[in-house]
Parts: sequence; C-alpha cells; structure tokens
Amino acid sequence: TQLLEQSPQFLSIQEGENLTVYCNSSSVFSSLQWYRQEPGEGPVLLVTVVTGGEVKKLKRLTFQFGDARKDSSLHITAAQPGDTGLYLCAVNFGNEKLTFGTGTRLTIIP
Amino acid sequence: DAGVTQSPTHLIKTRGQQVTLRCSPKSGHDTVSWYQQALGQGPQFIFQYYEEEERQRGNFPDRFSGHQFPNYSSELNVNALLLGDSALYLCASSGEKNYGYTFGSGTRLTVV
Repeated sequence: TQLLEQSPQFLSIQEGENLTVYCNSSSVFSSLQWYRQEPGEGPVLLVTVVTGGEVKKLKRLTFQFGDARKDSSLHITAAQPGDTGLYLCAVNFGNEKLTFGTGTRLTIIP
Repeated sequence: DAGVTQSPTHLIKTRGQQVTLRCSPKSGHDTVSWYQQALGQGPQFIFQYYEEEERQRGNFPDRFSGHQFPNYSSELNVNALLLGDSALYLCASSGEKNYGYTFGSGTRLTVV
C-alpha cells in the first residue's frame, strides 16, 4: 500500500494547455514538498507547504495544501516543454525520513 | 556553492559482486540520506546518516550498508549484487528538519 498516491501516473498535453496533478493520502502531514525530476538528474525541490489550505505560487505553478493536510495539488498554467519531467510529492513525518509519492510523469508536446 | 556530488555517475557490475557509491553533501549540510529509484518509480528510502551513525533505515536487506565520515561525506555499499539492484541511487543532504532535501544527480547502477 502506497502512503502517497499521485494521479495521474502519466500525462501528455499540448504546449499552452493547463493541467493539475494530485497527491493524496489517508494520513495527515505536518508538511509536504513537491519535487521535479528530469531524466538523468536527481529530484529538485520546488516548494514546501506547511499550513492547511496554503497556496503557493512559483511563476506558472500553483501549489495547494489541503485544508485537512492530507492532500495537495499542483496546477500548471500554459504548460511549456520545459515543464516536462517527473513530478513527485514527498512528506517527512518528523522522523527524518522523506517518503515519496508514486510520481506523475508529465510530457508537454510542442 | 557546490551542491551534492555523487560518484561514479554510471557503473556496471556483475551479479554477486560488491559496489561502493560515494556522496559529498552540500556545504553546510550534516545529514545524508540514500535512496534507490527503480525505473519509472519514486525514490525509496534506504537509510540516513547523521553524526557518523545510521539514524533511520528503510526496508532494505543487510546487503545494503553505509558509512558517514567526519567531513559528512558518505558511502553506500551493496554486497552480493542482484539483478534487481539495478537502479538510480540518489544521495540527498539536509541540515534542517521538515525542509526539502538537496539531491545529487545519482549513480546509475546496472547489474548484469
């Protein structure tokens, strides 16, 4: 059983379209991170959300932490080919171990 | 400011052999974690080192062992390699609780 379920698993859309990917769990988190990983590279931290209901924006990316702190979403506006990659959510339960979700592999078609 | 450095970048080993992977953490970070990432999956936690001791361990067999040196760098050792050990091995360093980790580019291990 996966602690963090991400959906969709794969997503392929045209450049300029909008998209949302999700990270869900039955557990409550004190904080949640989103990472992007490109082929041949390690994950790169995009954002950390810590407050229920929190919304953070990073250029065309909008991250939201659920009110109950059990889920999160990532919305990309006007997707560009440079957004292509594996998007991972991850949580730290305070025991120093970072647990990753199953990942969403996003492909933006020019 | 150098980030996390891992070596080697790629490695091919034969089943049954032993391998050592190396990691230098980001400057100012004192905690090193190792992850295994199989193709198409999210990284899986192997173990974490802090103050030269293993602080946390994931669900990996004893064939996986590690070490942290006084300069905070770390090694991951895998004995009796299996074909299923083929993966990208990622090292991540951190210095604060509940904040994001800095990952290296990984070592791609192929066991044949």
